[in-house]
Amino acid sequence: AQSVTQPDIHITVSEGASLELRCNYSYGATPYLFWYVQSPGQGLQLLLKYFSGDTLVQGIKGFEAEFKRSQSSFNLRKPSVHWSDAAEYFCAVGATAAGNKLTFGGGTRVLVKP
Amino acid sequence: EAQVTQNPRYLITVTGKKLTVTCSQNMNHEYMSWYRQDPGLGLRQIYYSMNVEVTDKGDVPEGYKVSRKEKRNFPLILESPSPNQTSLYFCASSPAARYGYTFGSGTRLTVV
Repeated sequence: AQSVTQPDIHITVSEGASLELRCNYSYGATPYLFWYVQSPGQGLQLLLKYFSGDTLVQGIKGFEAEFKRSQSSFNLRKPSVHWSDAAEYFCAVGATAAGNKLTFGGGTRVLVKP
Repeated sequence: EAQVTQNPRYLITVTGKKLTVTCSQNMNHEYMSWYRQDPGLGLRQIYYSMNVEVTDKGDVPEGYKVSRKEKRNFPLILESPSPNQTSLYFCASSPAARYGYTFGSGTRLTVV
């Protein structure tokens, strides 16, 4: 069965500093991997996705993520954080079974200090 | 604008009173799914649909029903809601696994 672990529940970062969110997954085949962001009171917005090809993927809002098969990781990064990046971030692995089921990690809440 | 629309956004109801949360997508997606989000438990799949008239249970289907009579609509039905169904619900649609899902804005349901 697929699973996703986000080791950090909370991260606090200063505005302008870099951000890295960790994600480790367990899946039997080549995974489809996603990062979503959820702002307070909002739905989930897709930041970026990986399913094949270049292991460094670019997303919206200046985010990027790197797929490392050897480490079963898909970490999210942003070089310079803005106050508007304060939100909860979810890593997810997708499968073709169960209606394209997404299995989510527990989420990482990002707080941005002025 | 491509989107998934859920209604209502907020709902407070009493135990046992049947309710329906509607979901509609305008992207002609084959796949649709319902998730619930709970503190400490994350997002869990309730039901999914792979096409019209094709639905199946997800991880937490007890107490819920769905139907897919048209491609664009995928309502979630709670025939006899109970307090443990108090949660934040998301409907989502997808064209294929590698694209992930587009989510609606959510429905916050409180059952008293």
